[in-house]
Amino acid sequence: DIQMTQSPSTLSASVGDSVTITCRASQSISSWLAWYQQKPGKAPKLLIYKASSLESGVPSRFSGSGSGTEFTLTISSLQPDDFATYYCQQSWTFGQGTKVEIK
Amino acid sequence: QVQLVQSGAEVKKPGSSMKVSCKASGGTFITYAFSWVRQAPGQGLEWMGGIIPLFGTANYAQKFQGRVTITADESTSTAYMELSSLRSEDTAVYYCARGAAAGTLINNWFDPWGQGTLVTVSS
Repeated sequence: DIQMTQSPSTLSASVGDSVTITCRASQSISSWLAWYQQKPGKAPKLLIYKASSLESGVPSRFSGSGSGTEFTLTISSLQPDDFATYYCQQSWTFGQGTKVEIK
Repeated sequence: QVQLVQSGAEVKKPGSSMKVSCKASGGTFITYAFSWVRQAPGQGLEWMGGIIPLFGTANYAQKFQGRVTITADESTSTAYMELSSLRSEDTAVYYCARGAAAGTLINNWFDPWGQGTLVTVSS
């Protein structure tokens, strides 16, 4: 099975900061990667699919890049609503999650 | 717009079974994959298995093989997940999620998701 390794596990940042989360696959997955945002008590919300396609309705400050084994999610100007946990996903494997917290 | 509505919270005894439902509305049912993902308290997301109703055969994560059964009822557009031999470590929120692209579990992503069902296993 493909393993997904996400880093960092926690990220402290301030409103307005640009932040990047990395997800590495144990073997090439082409561009078959998605990113989700999850807030406490809520279901995950799809942000990005096929590595870089922005889901409809998701703010443009979210962007995804990468292919093969290395992928990134970037939030260009962190807003108060963005403090949450983020997961990458490939088929049936999720990364461990990255909690973005207020510095 | 597709919506997934799950059954309500449950409290179960160790050794018993649970069955959670996920009713889909607003879209085609049989050609999309429905997966079950669980999240233990304070933990990450864990895929348990999935089914494409058109094909009828479910795929399961190795960890849950032999304990989980996923089915789908086309007549009611409802997917089900049954987990047996429950233990305290099965206490979690269980989500159903539909594959966004039709016809495959592989190389797909999940959208939409159900609201989640909290299952507590306690004596």
